Amino acid sequence: GENVEQHPSTLSVQEGDSAVIKCTYSDSASNYFPWYKQELGKRPQLIIDIRSNVGEKKDQRIAVTLNKTAKHFSLHITETQPEDSAVYFCAASQRSSSASKIIFGSGTRLSIRP
Amino acid sequence: GAVVSQHPSRVICKSGTSVKIECRSLDFQATTMFWYRQFPKQSLMLMATSNEGSKATYEQGVEKDKFLINHASLTLSTLTVTSAHPEDSSFYICSVRTGANYGYTFGSGTRLTVV
Repeated sequence: GENVEQHPSTLSVQEGDSAVIKCTYSDSASNYFPWYKQELGKRPQLIIDIRSNVGEKKDQRIAVTLNKTAKHFSLHITETQPEDSAVYFCAASQRSSSASKIIFGSGTRLSIRP
Repeated sequence: GAVVSQHPSRVICKSGTSVKIECRSLDFQATTMFWYRQFPKQSLMLMATSNEGSKATYEQGVEKDKFLINHASLTLSTLTVTSAHPEDSSFYICSVRTGANYGYTFGSGTRLTVV
């Protein structure tokens, strides 16, 4: 089955600097890679996703890159703000059917220093 | 996107009792729902895939007799934690895949505390 590894587990950056979180996956059949932000005690919220036919996707301060050959994908947050502090999870799935399960990475606790 | 409602949000129960958690897809007919468990400061671990009208598919290491899943309709899946023990205390959260363009939507989660 799919295995998703995520690094680092914790990340502290100065406000205004960039943050990068990296993930690798094992199943070459995975073709959908969402990123979730989870605040304490709340549900994960989708912040950006990328499909395997695309190498990069950007949404304002957030971008995700995908390297299918190497089976890794990364989240980039630029101009970080205090409200970016949260736990971020990468995930991998197959978009072929509604029954495709999503497997999460271990999470990265991002702290933004004022 | 879809709206997924989960109830209750918090529950405290005594050891040995059973607790039922409901996951409702309010505006989407879901043939499949997913149940996750999240311990403090850990990731979301998939417990089982709930299939409407048929048996759930459990992940390795998850006891199907302890975590009973029922998916009797296209909008409702329930997870019952039977004979709960303190080590079952966790955050349980369901998810619905709402189609290729919408990805996965999560319920609000249930904080279970077994005392």
